[in-house]
Amino acid sequence: DADVTQTPRNRITKTGKRIMLECSQTKGHDRMYWYRQDPGLGLRLIYYSFDVKDINKGEISDGYSVSRQAQAKFSLSLESAIPNQTALYFCATSDLTGYNEQFFGPGTRLTVL
Amino acid sequence: DQQVKQNSPSLSVQEGRISILNCDYTNSMFDYFLWYKKYPAEGPTFLISISSIKDKNEDGRFTVFLNKSAKHLSLHIVPSQPGDSAVYFCAARTGSARQLTFGSGTQLTVLP
Repeated sequence: DADVTQTPRNRITKTGKRIMLECSQTKGHDRMYWYRQDPGLGLRLIYYSFDVKDINKGEISDGYSVSRQAQAKFSLSLESAIPNQTALYFCATSDLTGYNEQFFGPGTRLTVL
Repeated sequence: DQQVKQNSPSLSVQEGRISILNCDYTNSMFDYFLWYKKYPAEGPTFLISISSIKDKNEDGRFTVFLNKSAKHLSLHIVPSQPGDSAVYFCAARTGSARQLTFGSGTQLTVLP
């Protein structure tokens, strides 16, 4: 079983729709992250959370919101999707110790028409 | 402004030869560097890392070199194998929040 899972794996939606991407982990890690990947730009941090009560904006948080429902669950929402939010989205986790090695989920491919 | 740059979008190497992937950075506050490998339809997976106080770290076929004065790191894969064909991202850590900043990735193709 995968340690970090993301649902859905693929989603096509229309401009203006609300979308939620979900992430669950069984690694027992406190820290969780949401990234997006665009061609030629690598991975960029959207939001991160160090525990259930701690949510922080990343480099590109505009147009996104998150919810940390439990230690194991971290959801990313697009309140009103727009075409330039078409991208590959990754959730990641890490623990409090060590050197911030992050463990990634398989990704969600989102297309906004 | 990209603080971590991978200037080569792609690299092709013959099986058995050395692959060298490069990464440049601009922020002198980065204290830790990591390489991730990504196969299609999968998330990135951690490969190897190096602290800013070291200049080399080796793990099997993979070696990472850090040149702080040049703000440059490289990943050497010897010998390269077809299964190494993937996108490689370098990442750098900074700050009390230990955020990672990623480069844009290099697609490595190892030809049999």
